[in-house]
Amino acid sequence: LAKTTQPISMDSYEGQEVNITCSHNNIATNDYITWYQQFPSQGPRFIIQGYKTKVTNEVASLFIPADRKSSTLSLPRVSLSDTAVYYCLVGEFRDSNYQLIWGAGTKLIIKP
Amino acid sequence: GAGVSQSPRYKVAKRGQDVALRCDPISGHVSLFWYQQALGQGPEFLTYFQNEAQLDKSGLPSDRFFAERPEGSVSTLKIQRTQQEDSAVYLCASSVLRVNTEAFFGQGTRLTVV
Repeated sequence: LAKTTQPISMDSYEGQEVNITCSHNNIATNDYITWYQQFPSQGPRFIIQGYKTKVTNEVASLFIPADRKSSTLSLPRVSLSDTAVYYCLVGEFRDSNYQLIWGAGTKLIIKP
Repeated sequence: GAGVSQSPRYKVAKRGQDVALRCDPISGHVSLFWYQQALGQGPEFLTYFQNEAQLDKSGLPSDRFFAERPEGSVSTLKIQRTQQEDSAVYLCASSVLRVNTEAFFGQGTRLTVV
């Protein structure tokens, strides 16, 4: 089964860089790694997606080593508004249907 | 609107009552997903539509749960004879493709069964 393991929670301070690592030892060859952010009382919001090496957009970077068994979401210079739950997702086939599997996520708390 | 819209935002149902939750996806999005999210947990997959076809309903927890998308746009998740364990946030998401693409989520419907 392709599943992910992330820290349950993390704390950091405003202005710091935050790195959240996710392990996915059984990731399938053609599977992408996707990260979502969720604020309380809101639906998840897409942050970034990658297959290998490094991907960067306006809000985050995603680092994926060559073996693809883990990935690291990097948030540069966080602010209080980055306090949220962050989910790392990979997919798996269940009864021939492809599904994204959501874990419990990492609760990130940013302090002033 | 530009995003995924869900209604109602909040629903309180008496145990045994039937409820219907609505999802308006982003126009033109082929794929539509329903998820159930319990407090403090990640979303759990319920069902998937490609246009009007329900291609995967493996996550529906019982035959009391039913979903439809008759014209390939608006979708309704119906729960019959609600039970207390059905209390959760129900999330709808739409996307252009099923896999390896950004999914856009609505704000969810919080269902409380009393």
